[in-house]
Amino acid sequence: EPEVTQTPSHQVTQMGQEVILRCVPISNHLYFYWYRQILGQKVEFLVSFYNNEISEKSEIFDDQFSVERPDGSNFTLKIRSTKLEDSAMYFCASSVFSVSNTEAFFGQGTRLTVV
Amino acid sequence: ELKVEQNPLFLSMQEGKNYTIYCNYSTTSDRLYWYRQDPGKSLESLFVLLSNGAVKQEGRLMASLDTKARLSTLHITAAVHDLSATYFCAVASNSGYALNFGKGTSLLVTP
Repeated sequence: EPEVTQTPSHQVTQMGQEVILRCVPISNHLYFYWYRQILGQKVEFLVSFYNNEISEKSEIFDDQFSVERPDGSNFTLKIRSTKLEDSAMYFCASSVFSVSNTEAFFGQGTRLTVV
Repeated sequence: ELKVEQNPLFLSMQEGKNYTIYCNYSTTSDRLYWYRQDPGKSLESLFVLLSNGAVKQEGRLMASLDTKARLSTLHITAAVHDLSATYFCAVASNSGYALNFGKGTSLLVTP
């Protein structure tokens, strides 16, 4: 069964360092997303990406965040200068159409720990 | 701002009992999703509710949607330990590009 895959599963980084989280969405999906979940809290939307551009972003997704689809399969989230409060589980998701029409499928997550 | 509220946030129930989780939302969306999350794991899609009056059942779980009341319910019948997890409802934003999640209901089923 097709699935969204994320790497790495766990990343530890020093405050101020740049990190890149990687995702391979399901191959026939057109919409891609990043969400984050701080430990014990709810899942928060960061950004959605369609047709090689950002379609929506939340207030959390400030200038230190960026997304890219560098090739036909990968979808990345870059955090330029990590802060302690960026520590969270980051989930990539994808869907065939927008989430007003189809469900999104989530990857297994990358746990980011900023020290 | 779209709000999605779940209750209860924590639920401890005995095996064999029935219970309902409620999800209220503030938008006019007629699309609602239920996800399950086991500790440290990803979000697993349970139900996609696409219209008013939609009802879906899978095993001991049944989800329904009332778009007029902006309410969805997740009913648990004869709970078993394997159902212990956190359950999230999510509603699409007005733009359709984002899911807004409730805070989740942490369910613990005990013998």
